[in-house]
Amino acid sequence: QVQLRQWGAGLSKPSETLSLTCAVYGGSFSVYYWTWIRQPPGKGLEWIGEINHSGSTKYNPSLKSRVTISVDTSKNQFSLKLSSVTAADAAVYYCARAHGSGEIPRVNYYGMDVWGQGTTVTVSS
Amino acid sequence: DIVMTQSPLSLPVTPGEPASISCRSSRSLLHSNGYNYLDWYLQKPGQSPQVLFFLGSVRASGVPDRFSGSGSGTDFTLKITRVEAEDVGVYYCMQALQTPFTFGQGTKLEIK
Repeated sequence: QVQLRQWGAGLSKPSETLSLTCAVYGGSFSVYYWTWIRQPPGKGLEWIGEINHSGSTKYNPSLKSRVTISVDTSKNQFSLKLSSVTAADAAVYYCARAHGSGEIPRVNYYGMDVWGQGTTVTVSS
Repeated sequence: DIVMTQSPLSLPVTPGEPASISCRSSRSLLHSNGYNYLDWYLQKPGQSPQVLFFLGSVRASGVPDRFSGSGSGTDFTLKITRVEAEDVGVYYCMQALQTPFTFGQGTKLEIK
């Protein structure tokens, strides 16, 4: 059974860079899109961006200038870096696996079917 | 960005009674390939979201058949025929037609 386990610093100072990593256990790493989503306290879900095994990325334009998603296929891991954080970036950050192939909208699409446990990130000096 | 609007935002339901959640998108989610790129997710209290439906009406593995997803274009509905206590949580619709993928505000289902 595929599992996503994520970790990273739970506290960031304003203007610093938030860094999270998600590891994929079980299943293939190369046929999916690996996604980051966040949820501010008491609010809804926001799609941050995604990456595939070859390193092709798509980002939310609202965060694009500050976001970098990268992949390490040797470790079956992908990572999120968000620079110049402010209090507005405080949230629970989730990694997730998305099915599909090709360009968006994807064929063989099955939604985001596996999620990490979430990491709470606080932004405070 | 495609704006997703859910209603109601709060849904108190008596166990055994039906429930329905509406999701509307600011543009059609029906692609020329015939599929509607609309997902439904449930976030149970204290848990990560889980997929219920993708492509509008395709039930994800393990989802009870008391749940159904329907709709096309800009109007979609999630229905539960008989609500059970384990169904409490926040339901989100999400469009996967174009990036950035966007979610509805969420509908909180609670048991009366």
